[in-house]
Amino acid sequence: EDQVTQSPEALRLQEGESSSLNCSYTVSGLRGLFWYRQDPGKGPEFLFTLYSAGEEKEKERLKATLTKKESFLHITAPKPEDSATYLCAVQAQYGNKLVFGAGTILRVKS
Amino acid sequence: DAGVIQSPRHEVTEMGQEVTLRCKPISGHNSLFWYRQTMMRGLELLIYFNNNVPIDDSGMPEDRFSAKMPNASFSTLKIQPSEPRDSAVYFCASSQPTGTASYEQYFGPGTRLTVT
Repeated sequence: EDQVTQSPEALRLQEGESSSLNCSYTVSGLRGLFWYRQDPGKGPEFLFTLYSAGEEKEKERLKATLTKKESFLHITAPKPEDSATYLCAVQAQYGNKLVFGAGTILRVKS
Repeated sequence: DAGVIQSPRHEVTEMGQEVTLRCKPISGHNSLFWYRQTMMRGLELLIYFNNNVPIDDSGMPEDRFSAKMPNASFSTLKIQPSEPRDSAVYFCASSQPTGTASYEQYFGPGTRLTVT
């Protein structure tokens, strides 16, 4: 069974304090690993797709990396507007189903 | 593009009543997904369609839940009869056709359902 575990469950940072969120996964043949951002009262917003180990993608203060067993979302010099829940999901080789982790709640204080 | 459109945004109903949630996917997307999100269970896939055909409904909790996609631009999720434990936020998402490639899913704003 495909599984995704995210850690930590919650993370509090001071503005400018860089850190990383972890997403560990088991999947029967990875087709893609996805990162989403979710603000309170809204639907998840797509950030990145990673396809193979060693791949990296960046968007503003965020950088996502992928190994064969986990993905990291690095946040460099975060700002309060980066506060949100970050969700990781995997898609197996067959079918278009996404399996989501429970998410990491990030709070950035000024 | 308007994105994925869901209605209603909020629904409050009494136990035993029928509830219908609606979704309009992004134009040109031919895969549509219904999810449920709760604090306890997170984001769970209920059912998804490719080209209006249900492909995987293994996440549908029980026979009280049903989903239809009569055409490429409209889908419904129906709960009959509703129960308090159905209270959750229901999301609809759509994506481009998947063959060997992997495409991201775009989510709607959700419908917050409260069953009293």
